[in-house]
Amino acid sequence: EAGVTQFPSHSVIEKGQTVTLRCDPISGHDNLYWYRRVMGKEIKFLLHFVKESKQDESGMPNNRFLAERTGGTYSTLKVQPAELEDSGVYFCASSQGVTTNEKLFFGSGTQLSVL
Amino acid sequence: GQSLEQPSEVTAVEGAIVQINCTYQTSGFYGLSWYQQHDGGAPTFLSYNGLDGLEETGRFSSFLSRSDSYGYLLLQELQMKDSASYFCAVRDRGTGRRALTFGSGTRLQVQP
Repeated sequence: EAGVTQFPSHSVIEKGQTVTLRCDPISGHDNLYWYRRVMGKEIKFLLHFVKESKQDESGMPNNRFLAERTGGTYSTLKVQPAELEDSGVYFCASSQGVTTNEKLFFGSGTQLSVL
Repeated sequence: GQSLEQPSEVTAVEGAIVQINCTYQTSGFYGLSWYQQHDGGAPTFLSYNGLDGLEETGRFSSFLSRSDSYGYLLLQELQMKDSASYFCAVRDRGTGRRALTFGSGTRLQVQP
């Protein structure tokens, strides 16, 4: 069974450009999460999808970030326009259940560098 | 709100035992989870403590004390491959947010 896959693994862009990150969750997982880790800091929550619906987007930093999950399968996270402080590793995670000990399955992340 | 604190770095030698602490401030949560991340890799689930006490999985054990707002991950018989970052995480009961809140992570370096 394939795990969570993210594309690209690395992206280097200039300030003001647009970048789109993609996440393919484990098949059958209704829950999809986006997280970001800035160097040395916590893995910070961005938003949560249940199927195609945004369940919680309280962690999105501002309106330059747009996430979609069309058809409840893969998800994209677009940053437009990118700023220097957007640099970091963007992780996607998926999960199947709604139990209190819900286990998250993470992708290897997209390392975004904004120059 | 939530705040989880972990030491930023821990160093130990092969074969030794190391304990990574996690202290937290939250109004209520469902349990304490631990994740491991090797450089450049995906964070992977290690353990979950829903109740107070010790949970053991092979060389790894995790402990939770809700009354002390404290938990730890214990790694025994350390191996070089255990060099990684370790994150504690909770799910807040009060806010109803399903997403996990993570600590800043502890970087473990295992030396020969």
